[in-house]
Amino acid sequence: NAGVTQTPKFRILKIGQSMTLQCTQDMNHNYMYWYRQDPGMGLKLIYYSVGAGITDKGEVPNGYNVSRSTTEDFPLRLELAAPSQTSVYFCASSYSRSGGSPLAKNIQYFGAGTRLSVL
Amino acid sequence: DQQVKQNSPSLSVQEGRISILNCDYTNSMFDYFLWYKKYPAEGPTFLISISSIKDKNEDGRFTVFLNKSAKHLSLHIVPSQPGDSAVYFCAASSMNTGFQKLVFGTGTRLLVSP
Repeated sequence: NAGVTQTPKFRILKIGQSMTLQCTQDMNHNYMYWYRQDPGMGLKLIYYSVGAGITDKGEVPNGYNVSRSTTEDFPLRLELAAPSQTSVYFCASSYSRSGGSPLAKNIQYFGAGTRLSVL
Repeated sequence: DQQVKQNSPSLSVQEGRISILNCDYTNSMFDYFLWYKKYPAEGPTFLISISSIKDKNEDGRFTVFLNKSAKHLSLHIVPSQPGDSAVYFCAASSMNTGFQKLVFGTGTRLLVSP
């Protein structure tokens, strides 16, 4: 079972370039998330989605955009890359259905991450 | 505002001994707490969780303790093994947000030496 797959694993961008970080999950999870992790810091939520066609901002959304056209895919778009966006990006998903265990609903499953450098 | 704090950036323990990782939180609305484990070049993986209605949850060598009055939780690993060497993140959530938004601490790097 693949789980959450992120591509690419590594990328170097020049200032002002744009790129899309891909994320796909095969667990039929309705919730998906994008986080960034800076050195010595915890994971910060960038954007999240509660289902296809529905997205919302997290804690640090500036400089990013997302879309959710299918249950499986949740790409993160960087427009006009800046050095402050140098980070490791993690995509995650979780399952939420009414009547399920609250503890189980809280478990997010993460991809292996994309390490991005903006120079 | 750091709502979830892990004040020890690193911890070194000998194999076979107990590892105790600590986490403090400030938001009294948090009602679910999770520990994640992260190896280098991998994503975090879920380890163990606890709800605010309990004060202890155990899973094999891993036990999480919750002290709501002190807004403190800890993860005990007994006995510690070299394969436990990783970064451990504490996370918390509140079901009042309507979705499973996790707030993460900054992590504690555990090194278990043979």
